[in-house]
Amino acid sequence: DIQLTQSPSFLSASVGDRVTITCRASQGISSYLAWYQQKPGKAPKLLIYAASTLQSGVPSRFSGSGSGTEFTLTISSLQPEDFATYYCQQLNSYPTWTFGQGTKVEIK
Amino acid sequence: QVQLVESGGGLVKPGGSLRLSCAASGFTFSDYYMSWIRQAPGKGLEWVSYISSSSSYTNYADSVKGRFTISRDNAKNSLYLQMNSLRAEDTAVYYCARLDSSGLDYWGQGTLVTVSS
Repeated sequence: DIQLTQSPSFLSASVGDRVTITCRASQGISSYLAWYQQKPGKAPKLLIYAASTLQSGVPSRFSGSGSGTEFTLTISSLQPEDFATYYCQQLNSYPTWTFGQGTKVEIK
Repeated sequence: QVQLVESGGGLVKPGGSLRLSCAASGFTFSDYYMSWIRQAPGKGLEWVSYISSSSSYTNYADSVKGRFTISRDNAKNSLYLQMNSLRAEDTAVYYCARLDSSGLDYWGQGTLVTVSS
């Protein structure tokens, strides 16, 4: 099974900061990676798919990059509404998919 | 607008059964693969199962294989998860989600399943 490891698991940042979260796959997954944002008590929301394509309606301060085994999610200027937990998910190993363990972004 | 509404969660004893439902609206349900994902209290997301648009293909996480069954009724725009032989470690919020080529693009609000004696 393909494992996804996110780093860091916890991140403390201030409004306006540039934030980068990394997701590493245990084997190559091409660009079959998605990123989700989850706020407390809410369902996850798709932010980015195919490693770097922004889902419709998602602010342009979010961006994704990478392919193969290493991927990043970047928030260019952290806003108050961005404090949440972020998950990566691989969709390469059809028909089973796995999520990373999550990265919680909190206010410094 | 796309809506997914789960129901059927609750408290059940270990070894018991429960059937979750997910009512879909706002899109052509029969065109999409669907999935169940769960989240144990304070933990991360775990993919549970998926079903193809015509029910031809299903798959399950190893942790639920042989105990859970996913199904759908396209005439009723509904997705189901039959959960048998429930264990304490199945306690979680269960989400249904629409599977697009991009990923899980719409999610329900979730339904809580608690397995406890």
